[in-house]
Amino acid sequence: DVKVTQSSRYLVKRTGEKVFLECVQDMDHENMFWYRQDPGLGLRLIYFSYDVKMKEKGDIPEGYSVSREKKERFSLILESASTNQTSMYLCASSSGQDPYEQYFGPGTRLTVT
Amino acid sequence: DAKTTQPNSMESNEEEPVHLPCNHSTISGTDYIHWYRQLPSQGPEYVIHGLTSNVNNRMASLAIAEDRKSSTLILHRATLRDAAVYYCILRDDSGTASKLTFGTGTRLQVTL
Repeated sequence: DVKVTQSSRYLVKRTGEKVFLECVQDMDHENMFWYRQDPGLGLRLIYFSYDVKMKEKGDIPEGYSVSREKKERFSLILESASTNQTSMYLCASSSGQDPYEQYFGPGTRLTVT
Repeated sequence: DAKTTQPNSMESNEEEPVHLPCNHSTISGTDYIHWYRQLPSQGPEYVIHGLTSNVNNRMASLAIAEDRKSSTLILHRATLRDAAVYYCILRDDSGTASKLTFGTGTRLQVTL
């Protein structure tokens, strides 16, 4: 079974803090994605990576950065957390050769106070 | 990006078939149609995808209109475990990685 794991299910941070969200996949997938999910807005793509050290902006990259130093790990960084970044964050991965299916992690619910 | 339109919610009785519609009138010739679903408190999971022909798998069937401007996800016998938000998505392969653009989906309620 493909597994995508995220470091925390729930996280509470203060405004201005630097926040790291970690995602690990065990299927040797080339592509990894970070989404946020908000009521009424569905899932929106923040950043994605198609190879180690490669990244591209998604639809809403402002206020976020990412890091992919190893193939299995993709980190989302909030340099200075703000209350409007309170959301559910979902990580996903897919194969480069067979990209039709993205496998999602369980999500991290981040609250910024 | 081509967009999809789905009803906000639908209801079904258990063990009856469910037809979930999706309109995608601006679909391009190379866009694949994907369906994902999201169960409560979980990440989305893949259901099915297709390009032009109807598709079947163990979870569902996908019926694609001849002009490809609409499609229907068919659950043959809904169960309580099928209660979820169902997303109809057009896959964009134009960049360095295949991307999915999720809309707000259809919330399916299944009752006894």
